[in-house]
Amino acid sequence: KQEVTQIPAALSVPEGENLVLNCSFTDSAIYNLQWFRQDPGKGLTSLLLIQSSQREQTSGRLNASLDKSSGRSTLYIAASQPGDSATYLCAGNTGGFKTIFGAGTRLFVKA
Amino acid sequence: DVKVTQSSRYLVKRTGEKVFLECVQDMDHENMFWYRQDPGLGLRLIYFSYDVKMKEKGDIPEGYSVSREKKERFSLILESASTNQTSMYLCASGFDTANYGYTFGSGTRLTVV
Repeated sequence: KQEVTQIPAALSVPEGENLVLNCSFTDSAIYNLQWFRQDPGKGLTSLLLIQSSQREQTSGRLNASLDKSSGRSTLYIAASQPGDSATYLCAGNTGGFKTIFGAGTRLFVKA
Repeated sequence: DVKVTQSSRYLVKRTGEKVFLECVQDMDHENMFWYRQDPGLGLRLIYFSYDVKMKEKGDIPEGYSVSREKKERFSLILESASTNQTSMYLCASGFDTANYGYTFGSGTRLTVV
């Protein structure tokens, strides 16, 4: 059974720091890995999606990588800003409608 | 951009009431989903639909039903609301989710008193 784990559960960094959020999954038979941002009390906003044939995707200051063999994905945020403060969730699709979500990493960027 | 719209941001209902949560998407997606999100439990799939009038149970369907009469609209129904259904409800849609993932709505925070 696929499990998705995000470590750390919470992270506090000073503004301007580069940081990495981790997502690990137990089953390498993954079709895609999607990263979301969630602000308090709101829905999920898709940030990046990496298909199984890809190794990374980039959008602005964000870069996500996928290593199926090691069961890991990382979300790299460059030059963090207070506006990046949110919860970041990863989700792995194992085929069809089966998607497993991680519990999220709560990020706080201090001004 | 795909838009998934949930009709209510906040709802307060009484125990035993019948509750309708509405979700509309504007990109002709075949697949639509209802999740609930609770602290410590993450996102859990309640129901999904892969076509008009088609539905499948997710991981926690008890106490819920759904309706999909039109492709763009997917409704979640709480037949008789209970306090343990107080939660954040998230609707999502997608085309070929195995390759292209999901788009989520802004969520409905439901409180049952």
